[in-house]
Amino acid sequence: GESVGLHLPTLSVQEGDNSIINCAYSNSASDYFIWYKQESGKGPQFIIDIRSNMDKRQGQRVTVLLNKTVKHLSLQIAATQPGDSAVYFCAENDQAGTALIFGKGTTLSVSS
Amino acid sequence: GAGVSQSPRYKVAKRGQDVALRCDPISGHVSLFWYQQALGQGPEFLTYFQNEAQLDKSGLPSDRFFAERPEGSVSTLKIQRTQQEDSAVYLCASSENTGELFFGEGSRLTVL
Repeated sequence: GESVGLHLPTLSVQEGDNSIINCAYSNSASDYFIWYKQESGKGPQFIIDIRSNMDKRQGQRVTVLLNKTVKHLSLQIAATQPGDSAVYFCAENDQAGTALIFGKGTTLSVSS
Repeated sequence: GAGVSQSPRYKVAKRGQDVALRCDPISGHVSLFWYQQALGQGPEFLTYFQNEAQLDKSGLPSDRFFAERPEGSVSTLKIQRTQQEDSAVYLCASSENTGELFFGEGSRLTVL
């Protein structure tokens, strides 16, 4: 079935370090992937997305890498800040191409 | 409004009560989604509307769950005869078409 999972449930880094959050997906037909950030008590907030015709996309301090061969997605955050502390979810579109299927999330903790 | 608005933010219900959760999507957004997020988990898809048409309700866990969007704008998720396992955060999201979803803050339902 369709599912999206993450390699690590938690990641702790020091302020200023680069963070890498990984995600494995199972549906090889998915053509759209997205990373969300969710702070406590809030709804998920869009970070960056990528379509399957690309293998890398950069935003402000964030980069998403897509490896379709091994069905792996990663989010890189440069110069991590305390405000980056949150739960990060990767998601892929479902077989109908409408809804997003979310993984369980990685909790990123940034210490000063 | 500027974002997706959900109400109530918090709802406590006694087992067996009916509840109604409201979502005001971003003005002009065609697509509207409901997700259920259990504690420590990623959001799970419930149902999807395109304008007033409910195109996918495959994620609704039982026939006690019902969603509507009669005028293609505001949506209501209704849960009849609530059970303890219905306790979760219910997230509403909207989008212009498909792709990036803009989420509300969610409605936290606690069933006693």
